[in-house]
Amino acid sequence: DGGITQSPKYLFRKEGQNVTLSCEQNLNHDAMYWYRQDPGQGLRLIYYSQIVNDFQKGDIAEGYSVSREKKESFPLTVTSAQKNPTAFYLCASSIRWRPRDTGELFFGEGSRLTVL
Amino acid sequence: QQPVQSPQAVILREGEDAVINCSSSKALYSVHWYRQKHGEAPVFLMILLKGGEQKGHEKISASFNEKKQQSSLYLTASQLSYSGTYFCGTERSGGGADGLTFGKGTHLIIQP
Repeated sequence: DGGITQSPKYLFRKEGQNVTLSCEQNLNHDAMYWYRQDPGQGLRLIYYSQIVNDFQKGDIAEGYSVSREKKESFPLTVTSAQKNPTAFYLCASSIRWRPRDTGELFFGEGSRLTVL
Repeated sequence: QQPVQSPQAVILREGEDAVINCSSSKALYSVHWYRQKHGEAPVFLMILLKGGEQKGHEKISASFNEKKQQSSLYLTASQLSYSGTYFCGTERSGGGADGLTFGKGTHLIIQP
């Protein structure tokens, strides 16, 4: 079955450590996104990529980095520069069904990061 | 800017109807609707585009008022499975296919 796989599901980190969250999709989607979800805040866009080897900052990119070396993969690194990294992280992908439209987003199950 | 959703929460009895609203301070090009159950990933419900085009599930209905920059999601004859948090999402740059800005969500609780 096609879908998006995020790992790990739960992650604990000490302050000052970088961590990388994995996101893999086998839907053959061009566009991929990383969102952060905090209680009562909705989903906020961290980074997005519309094509391999290209990515753009979203609304809250500070303290995060990404890469898009393969169509299927879009890993997110939470660096020590992120001041409040404890959150639920969601990866999503979409097909480019129309040039000006973000298509239907397919989400992974999420990764919950806790900084100790 | 983040779209504003209302109400923040609603509790219904099974079989009752609900309306969830989403409004924006900027011109809307399209509106997405998603539902998220506790501890799960959000699931796509519907996209509404300027000009009236829609793409989504047959059992979910929604409206998109371009002039008022508003969208409403209609849940009729609610079922227990409708419980969850509903999010609307709008294009970040008015039709640039660069991701969505989501509202803070509306919590819907359906009681038997």
